[in-house]
Amino acid sequence: DTGVSQDPRHKITKRGQNVTFRCDPISEHNRLYWYRQTLGQGPEFLTYFQNEAQLEKSRLLSDRFSAERPKGSFSTLEIQRTEQGDSAMYLCASSSGTEGMGEQFFGPGTRLTVL
Amino acid sequence: GQSLEQPSEVTAVEGAIVQINCTYQTSGFYGLSWYQQHDGGAPTFLSYNALDGLEETGRFSSFLSRSDSYGYLLLQELQMKDSASYFCAVRNDQAGTALIFGKGTTLSVSS
Repeated sequence: DTGVSQDPRHKITKRGQNVTFRCDPISEHNRLYWYRQTLGQGPEFLTYFQNEAQLEKSRLLSDRFSAERPKGSFSTLEIQRTEQGDSAMYLCASSSGTEGMGEQFFGPGTRLTVL
Repeated sequence: GQSLEQPSEVTAVEGAIVQINCTYQTSGFYGLSWYQQHDGGAPTFLSYNALDGLEETGRFSSFLSRSDSYGYLLLQELQMKDSASYFCAVRNDQAGTALIFGKGTTLSVSS
């Protein structure tokens, strides 16, 4: 499978715990995005990488959130001291920039439940 | 602020034609995309309009009018498998980074 993959697919944690999600983009894609989606809403942008550089962060990304893409390949999103409001689907997407600029390839997401 | 408005729900029968409208108000505009998302699935790209006019891809077409800040997705010859949520999304900067998504339209196709 050459699509975007995310791990884990589901995560249940207790409030106050830290969690880390991983995203493996399509191999030739240099752009990687993280979004958050709650029930009945569209994806909300969190952050964007071009290669290993984090070029943009949303105001939604509080100090408890951190994302890395150390070698310009896979990316991790960490949430520290989780809160119940962090419960959501976390989606990763990638693109190469050579296809249409409106096209991003999404992974299956990591569903986070904070108890 | 940034906002995209689309109907929350649309229902139709197999074989029919459905149009899902999207109006947007964003700080910048470089194109309008449409994505489909089945329950429990990932959003998948359907179409993209950067310029005014109609783009056709099989049973799906998308239209954009930048002067009206308006676009639509047209789905023809509806099939049961088209039951899903449909999102319009604006690319609001030239570098092509984040997409701003609408809240989505749930399409239910019945037989």
